[in-house]
Amino acid sequence: QAHLEQSGAEVKKPGASVKISCKASGYTFIAYEIHWLRQAPGQRLEWMGWIKPRNGDTGYSQNVQGRVTITRDTSTSTAYMELRGLRRADTAVYYCARDLGPYDCWGQGTLVTVSS
Amino acid sequence: DIQMTQSPSSLSASVGDRVTITCQASQDISRYLNWYQQKPGKAPKLLLYDASNLEIGVPSRFSGSGSGTDFTFTISSLQPEDFATYFCQQYDSLPRTFGQGTKVDIK
Repeated sequence: QAHLEQSGAEVKKPGASVKISCKASGYTFIAYEIHWLRQAPGQRLEWMGWIKPRNGDTGYSQNVQGRVTITRDTSTSTAYMELRGLRRADTAVYYCARDLGPYDCWGQGTLVTVSS
Repeated sequence: DIQMTQSPSSLSASVGDRVTITCQASQDISRYLNWYQQKPGKAPKLLLYDASNLEIGVPSRFSGSGSGTDFTFTISSLQPEDFATYFCQQYDSLPRTFGQGTKVDIK
């Protein structure tokens, strides 16, 4: 059974960077894209980007392009999302999700709080 | 970007009620439309994919219909565990976009 386990909550100051991990288990990691999304308090889900674990291809939302990098380590079946230049508006719960077209498997979410 | 407009934003209902939520896309997305349930503090859970296909393990009281720009999600008989937020999502094109959600609470 597919499972995605994310790293724990983070508190960061404005301008800092955060890197969240998403470890896959229960399926062949390289077979499916991993997408990253976030949900700010009271807001709708926002798509941030994707990675194809097989070859490392990535794509990003224009909203965060230039500040975000998604990578993967196939030896540990883990995807990573790094967001730089954090702003208070980046305070949100960040999710990774397995992409079958629909997102059929989600990580538990990682709360990132940006505060001085 | 494709805009997804969901309505209503909230509703109050009783156990046993029939609940209907609509989702409208700003352009034709064929049937590339999914529905999710989210409970407080939890990740979303996929209920329906491709507008009307029930995800494995999801009760049959959940159903969906539509194509193109207009979609409907229905709970035929609301159960206590169904009080949650529901939202639609298109995957016709990137960026993937979501409706703003419909919070279903107890009347």
